[in-house]
Amino acid sequence: QKEVEQDPGPLSVPEGAIVSLNCTYSNSAFQYFMWYRQYSRKGPELLMCTYSSGNKEDGRFTAQVDKSSKYISLFIRDSQPSDSATYLCAMRRISFGNEKLTFGTGTRLTIIP
Amino acid sequence: AAGVIQSPRHLIKEKRETATLKCYPIPRHDTVYWYQQGPGQDPQFLISFYEKMQSDKGSIPDRFSAQQFSDYHSELNMSSLELGDSALYFCASSSRGGTYEQYFGPGTRLTVT
Repeated sequence: QKEVEQDPGPLSVPEGAIVSLNCTYSNSAFQYFMWYRQYSRKGPELLMCTYSSGNKEDGRFTAQVDKSSKYISLFIRDSQPSDSATYLCAMRRISFGNEKLTFGTGTRLTIIP
Repeated sequence: AAGVIQSPRHLIKEKRETATLKCYPIPRHDTVYWYQQGPGQDPQFLISFYEKMQSDKGSIPDRFSAQQFSDYHSELNMSSLELGDSALYFCASSSRGGTYEQYFGPGTRLTVT
């Protein structure tokens, strides 16, 4: 079983809809949680980085972390066709020397105009 | 803002040849990470360096080696290339004195024939 589980999709929604992307994890040592957006054959682009349980908002994006349930989410409001990409959740431990990111498998999202 | 620079962007090699990938981190970032992403897969951590010292090691084959230089750029050396080494190779950088966010470069696409 992978340490980080993510629904691979694909997920298709109409433009303007609210998108919900989710990941679960099994290792309670993970303390930092990130969401990356990756366009085809491009490098992952950091969207959000959170530490505490709760919500963090940045423009149309909201990241939610529930450490007690080991569950994280990314919400995209007013989705645009340019949001069509693969979304990867990633997490890491807090200790020095143990900083690698462990990724989910990614969810491919398509926003239909 | 300056981003992570990787070179070359594309590389074609034959089996058993050697390849060298280069990474230039964001200015003032002191930690460099290497990830390998196969087709349709999530990035897998290979190795990382902090202040020119190896800080963490993942599933990096013995045929691969890497180092970080005094100007903080890093090189990934790959020898005895195999067909299965064909993948996207990403470099990411972060600053231990700042946040724990890792910023990725555009990647090097390696094709082994």
